[in-house]
Amino acid sequence: DSGVTQTPKHLITATGQRVTLRCSPRSGDLSVYWYQQSLDQGLQFLIQYYNGEERAKGNILERFSAQQFPDLHSELNLSSLELGDSALYFCASSVFSGRGTEAFFGQGTRLTVV
Amino acid sequence: ILNVEQSPQSLHVQEGDSTNFTCSFPSSNFYALHWYRWETAKSPEALFVMTLNGDEKKKGRISATLNTKEGYSYLYIKGSQPEDSATYLCAFMYSGGGADGLTFGKGTHLIIQP
Repeated sequence: DSGVTQTPKHLITATGQRVTLRCSPRSGDLSVYWYQQSLDQGLQFLIQYYNGEERAKGNILERFSAQQFPDLHSELNLSSLELGDSALYFCASSVFSGRGTEAFFGQGTRLTVV
Repeated sequence: ILNVEQSPQSLHVQEGDSTNFTCSFPSSNFYALHWYRWETAKSPEALFVMTLNGDEKKKGRISATLNTKEGYSYLYIKGSQPEDSATYLCAFMYSGGGADGLTFGKGTHLIIQP
């Protein structure tokens, strides 16, 4: 158990809908990362928050947004969902934001858009 | 776009044999190289974080080396056991004002045959 909790584990929704994925980082970790893994793709970095502020942005679509709350949990909001958004979404956390810091991953939320 | 390549894509190894696989990454603006182990239905788990050229890290029967000048890292498993079956991911972090997120390769899927 990495200590990172993601909910829900599975989500099935229709195209055009909006969903929210939740991540609770390990106790004491200030940094939260969101990754997407689609079929046959590697883990794609979406966005990072550090201590409540957006720190870095990767390949995140404009239809997606995220935030980190004062208690350090984070939410990833996906709107106007398309079939291609079906993927495994991982959250990871680390103590700091830096080169030597290993990330601890949650078990992921599997999103299926039908 | 950062290119992180892992080879081979998949590998079947007899129990007891040793094996190794490769991660290639951009040699410029190197910041850190991470190795993760990802078992089916679990979350990726950090094995090593390597930051210096020539780094060698070891954890039990698994070790890794890093060559930042030529842009590659090797992961070695000595005396493979069935529990080593997993996907091994490498992830590259670069310096240069961009994302702190890790850029992942697609992984090497290792299957240990009893």
